Amino acid sequence: DVKVTQSSRYLVKRTGEKVFLECVQDMDHENMFWYRQDPGLGLRLIYFSYDVKMKEKGDIPEGYSVSREKKERFSLILESASTNQTSMYLCASKFRGYEKLFFGSGTQLSVL
Amino acid sequence: GQSLEQPSEVTAVEGAIVQINCTYQTSGFYGLSWYQQHDGGAPTFLSYNALDGLEETGRFSSFLSRSDSYGYLLLQELQMKDSASYFCAVKNAGANNLFFGTGTRLTVIP
Repeated sequence: DVKVTQSSRYLVKRTGEKVFLECVQDMDHENMFWYRQDPGLGLRLIYFSYDVKMKEKGDIPEGYSVSREKKERFSLILESASTNQTSMYLCASKFRGYEKLFFGSGTQLSVL
Repeated sequence: GQSLEQPSEVTAVEGAIVQINCTYQTSGFYGLSWYQQHDGGAPTFLSYNALDGLEETGRFSSFLSRSDSYGYLLLQELQMKDSASYFCAVKNAGANNLFFGTGTRLTVIP
């Protein structure tokens, strides 16, 4: 089975901190994604990467950056965390040309 | 822009059939996916429709009408474990990403 692993299930940070969320997949997927999920808003795409070192902005990239130095790892970076970034963050991956997304279990980030 | 509409909540009785609708507005529509998410869990893939018609996978079926910009997820022989949120998502031509709806919370009651 495909495994998408997110480094932390719960994370508490302070306003202004730099935050790293890590995601690793073990199926050699080309495409990787970061979504945030908020009640009533569904899943919104922050950034995605279609290959190593390649990235594209999603629908809500402001306040975030990403890094993909290796194929299996996709990191989401909050340069200066703010309270409105308190959310569930979901990482996902898939093969290029296929439609099935595999999600990690999510990181619930609280920014105080 | 693009938009997806699906009901926020649906309640159905165990053993019954329920249909969750999804209407979309987008340019360059390519296909419609459905995902299931239990409370506290990760979304999991259910189906993908690129062509008009009904596709069946066990108790779940998914339908697409491209001319009506409409699709639905049909769940038969409902079980308590089907209580979850269900998201439709559209893929546009040439895109690698999906645009998700806000989800439908299905509650199955005895």
